[in-house]
Amino acid sequence: GESVGLHLPTLSVQEGDNSIINCAYSNSASDYFIWYKQESGKGPQFIIDIRSNMDKRQGQRVTVLLNKTVKHLSLQIAATQPGDSAVYFCAEIPSGGYQKVTFGTGTKLQVIP
Amino acid sequence: EAGVAQSPRYKIIEKRQSVAFWCNPISGHATLYWYQQILGQGPKLLIQFQNNGVVDDSQLPKDRFSAERLKGVDSTLKIQPAKLEDSAVYLCASSLSGGFSYNEQFFGPGTRLTVL
Repeated sequence: GESVGLHLPTLSVQEGDNSIINCAYSNSASDYFIWYKQESGKGPQFIIDIRSNMDKRQGQRVTVLLNKTVKHLSLQIAATQPGDSAVYFCAEIPSGGYQKVTFGTGTKLQVIP
Repeated sequence: EAGVAQSPRYKIIEKRQSVAFWCNPISGHATLYWYQQILGQGPKLLIQFQNNGVVDDSQLPKDRFSAERLKGVDSTLKIQPAKLEDSAVYLCASSLSGGFSYNEQFFGPGTRLTVL
C-alpha cells in the first residue's frame, strides 16, 4: 500500500548549525503533510504542517518544503539546539476521507554540544 | 489545559495473558485514536473513534484486539491473548474532529507493553 518513508535513520548535527531532515512519500493524492517530534518516553508532538497546494511554510526556527514533482518533503531546523534532539517523523493525510495519518519510520536527530 | 492521559505507563505480561490500556482524551475532543508504535518505527493507526462510533479499524487485529469508547469520552484497548509481537508502545491521541478536515492530533505519553 501507500507509505511514507525517510532517507536517513540518524542525523548528527553540531549545536548552532542548521538541520535538514528528509522524507519521501508515495501517495500523490495526500492533502496534508505533517512533521512530528517525538522525545524519549513521550508521544509525538506536532511541529508544522503543509498543505499539498503549498511549496513552503515557515514556523519558529522550522521550515517545511514540499516538492510534489519528486514526492519529497523536508524539515529544516535553524540554529539547532540540544533540545531539538529527538526522533522526527513525517506523516501524510490522504484526501477525500477521514484524516487517517500515515507515519514514516522516523529520523533520529542528535545534537552535538 | 490537561493533555491526553494514559495508564498504565508500563506493563509487562507473559504471552497468552490479557492486558487493557486506558485513555482519557482532552476534554471536548470528539475523535480518539489508538496507535501501535513498534520500536524504531512510526506509529500505526489501530482504531479511530468519532464520539463513540468506530470510523476506521481496518488495521486492528480483531481476533485479539478490541477497543471501546463508552459515552464518547474515555476509551480502553484490550489485547486477549497477547503475543510476543504485540510488544510496543500504545499511543492514544485525540482531536477536536476527525472528519473531512484536518485537525491537529494531540498524543498521550503512551503505554509501553512488554510481552515475555
